[in-house]
Amino acid sequence: SYVLTQPPSVSVAPGQTARITCGGYNIGSKSVHWHQQKPGQAPVLVVYDDSGRPSGIPERFSGSNSVNTATLTISRVEAGDEADYYCQVWNSDNNHIVFGGGTKLTVL
Amino acid sequence: EMKLVESGGNLVQPGGSLRLSCIASGFTFSSYSMNWVRQAPGKGLEWVSFISGSSSRIYYADSVRGRFTISRDNGENSLYLQMNSLRAEDTAVYYCAREQPAALAFDIWGRGTMVTVSS
Repeated sequence: SYVLTQPPSVSVAPGQTARITCGGYNIGSKSVHWHQQKPGQAPVLVVYDDSGRPSGIPERFSGSNSVNTATLTISRVEAGDEADYYCQVWNSDNNHIVFGGGTKLTVL
Repeated sequence: EMKLVESGGNLVQPGGSLRLSCIASGFTFSSYSMNWVRQAPGKGLEWVSFISGSSSRIYYADSVRGRFTISRDNGENSLYLQMNSLRAEDTAVYYCAREQPAALAFDIWGRGTMVTVSS
């Protein structure tokens, strides 16, 4: 089965840039989506198709995807960005959705 | 407002059954594929099942195949998950999620319903 690997945690000071990675074999050939989940809340889509931004999501959220690593970048981090972030892909080999294990973003 | 509302979660004994529902509003339900995703306490997201808009395509995670059945009623704007032979490891918050037609990303999520499997 296809595996997505995320760092368990990332810490960043307010105003700095946070980068959260999502590793997978040849992930660059897949479309990667990113979800933000705050404690006690449902997930929210923040990036789709590697770098697309849904309506209402700040421009500070961006994404990239190449070879074996996809990256969610959050610029000018704010306290309100503190959350768990999950990457997601569709594995066409077995028609399964796969989530990464999640990364807890801490704003120092 | 586009919205998904889950219901049906409960405490159930191991080996028991439960049926979850998800009511959609604010969009043309039949035009979208839908998914169930679960999250065990303190754990990450786990995809459970997918159903296309016409119910012609259905997929399951290996962990639930043969025990869970996904279905939908487009006339009622409703998505269902029939869960049989429940195990302790099925304990989780269950979310329904709408899938974007082109991107296959989950763009709308419900707030979830809690399923606890315990004796």
